[in-house]
Amino acid sequence: DIVMTQSPSSLAVSAGETVTINCKSSQSLLYSGNQKNYLAWYQQKPGQSPKLLIYWASTRQSGVPDRFIGSGSGTDFTLTISSVQAEDLAIYYCQQYYDTPYTFGAGTKLELK
Amino acid sequence: QVQLKESGPGLVQPSQTLSLTCTVAGFSLTSYNVHWVRQPPGKGLEWMGVIWNTGGTRYNSALKSRLSISKDTSKSQVFLKMNSLQTEDTATYYCARETTGIPGYNWFAYWGQGTLVTVSS
Repeated sequence: DIVMTQSPSSLAVSAGETVTINCKSSQSLLYSGNQKNYLAWYQQKPGQSPKLLIYWASTRQSGVPDRFIGSGSGTDFTLTISSVQAEDLAIYYCQQYYDTPYTFGAGTKLELK
Repeated sequence: QVQLKESGPGLVQPSQTLSLTCTVAGFSLTSYNVHWVRQPPGKGLEWMGVIWNTGGTRYNSALKSRLSISKDTSKSQVFLKMNSLQTEDTATYYCARETTGIPGYNWFAYWGQGTLVTVSS
């Protein structure tokens, strides 16, 4: 199974700050056939279902604000949230869909400082 | 409008079988894959398995011996059955759909609201 390791596990921020969440996979998620990275990011607020933010490591889902930026390739990926807003306080998960079983990182909890 | 909604018993006794239904609307199960993902209280997400638009299935090997996913396309319903439940199976169970039915595009764009299943005597 591909193991997804996220860091940090929690992050305390003030509104307006830029934050970076890291996700590392135990094997490359870059498929040579199409040069795409099989990685997605989700946001989950308390009591809600996860919401898709990013797929192909850097493609924003329709309707997701452009302050959410996904980057990285191979085994190392980053979700950057610029100018954090109160509504962004949530848990963020990375997920690989390169191979089954599809696996998630343990999550990064974004909290208010 | 794409919708998924899970239903089933909120409480299951240890060693018993869990049966959940995911009722979908706004799309056909012959065109899209539907996955099951679960989340223990206060913990992370675990992919359980998928039923492909073709009707084939793939399961998480950690659950494979206990898990079965099927569907009734005419009723727009996907079914999950898992036997030999233990307390560690207590979780919110979600069904989720991919954006497209294209192979390899296996991220989850649409999620149900989830249903909490508690395993307890």
